[in-house]
Formats: sequence, C-alpha cells, structure tokens
Amino acid sequence: SQQGEEDPQALSIQEGENATMNCSYKTSINNLQWYRQNSGRGLVHLILIRSNEREKHSGRLRVTLDTSKKSSSLLITASRAADTASYFCATDAGGGFKTIFGAGTRLFVKA
Amino acid sequence: DAGVTQSPTHLIKTRGQHVTLRCSPISGHKSVSWYQQVLGQGPQFIFQYYEKEERGRGNFPDRFSARQFPNYSSELNVNALLLGDSALYLCASSQDRGGETQYFGPGTRLLVL
Repeated sequence: SQQGEEDPQALSIQEGENATMNCSYKTSINNLQWYRQNSGRGLVHLILIRSNEREKHSGRLRVTLDTSKKSSSLLITASRAADTASYFCATDAGGGFKTIFGAGTRLFVKA
Repeated sequence: DAGVTQSPTHLIKTRGQHVTLRCSPISGHKSVSWYQQVLGQGPQFIFQYYEKEERGRGNFPDRFSARQFPNYSSELNVNALLLGDSALYLCASSQDRGGETQYFGPGTRLLVL
C-alpha cells in the first residue's frame, strides 16, 4: 500500500500561474521528499524537508510540512511548459530503509 | 560523473519466464533500491540494499529477489513472470542508508506477454 496520497490527481494551468500540490501520509517520518517524473522516465529529486522543518525553498519551489496534520504541499511559482510532469511525494516511513511514494499529481502547463 | 545506469532499457518476456535487470549506482554510492512502477501509479518499493546486505523489503512475493555485488552494482531477478509484472522497474542509488536523497536511473520497461 502507498503511504502518501497526492491531491489533486491532475492539474492543468496556464504558463505563469502557480501550481500547488498536496501530499498526506500516514505514519511518522524522518523526512519527506518531492520528485518529478517526465513521461514515464526516471525520477528527479526536487527537494527534501526534514521532520523538524516547516518550510523550505529551492528556486521556484516552496515546500511546507505539517507533521501534526501529516501533510505537505509543493508550490511551483511562475510555472513553465517545461514543468509539465508527474510530481510525487515520498516518505521514509520512519525506518529509513523503505521509501514510500504516493500516487502522484499530473501537472500540465499550457503555453 | 555518470548517473545511475540500468540495463536493458526495454524487455519483452512471456509468462513463466525469468528476467534479470541490472543497475550500476553512482560512483561512491553504497545503497541501491529497486522500485516497480505500474502505468499511472507511483513507484512501489521492492528492495533496498546497503553495503551488500538487504536492509528493506516491500510487499512483493518471493519470486522477486535481488543482490548487490562488491562494486555496489545490483541485480533484480523475477521468476515465473506474470502478466501483472509488466511495469517500469526503477533503480535508485544513494550515498548512505535509505531515506535520504535518491538518484534514479532511467528504468527498464518490462512487458510480459
């Protein structure tokens, strides 16, 4: 079974708009990560946020983590057509030896 | 430096056959993890190996096995293939134990007929 659940399942926006994706998980974690996948290829790591952090930025990406609600959000600002991809959250499920991915949000950015 | 490499890129097998998938991690990385990704879903964790020992195992049947070699490369073996084993198989490496940033290979797309 998958630990994380992303919301929405799919998102279609215009270039220049912001995109927000949410992730919920079930068990305690040490960290949460976001990955991007283009067209069924390998995943690319975007950002890692630790359980004692609440917010983290990387370029146009902003990630928040609320451990009390077991949820995280990924914000992509000023989206570009090249941001079109599937985005997954992943957690270490507390043990460190098992990474659990959600089902993903499919983002489509229209030029 | 080369990234994570996987071979083969594509594979077609028939039910009941056996398959071996290979992965070479980034130089210096000691941990390798394997994932199965069915179309439209997120990757499902299969195994994690660290320093040549199995450290984690997902909910997959015993038909799935893996090993890690002294040079930290890894093989995933699947016996008695079923149609449902058709998927993208991803390998990821990391410097240390699992849970940290993982670097993924391009995957092997397996089709079972």
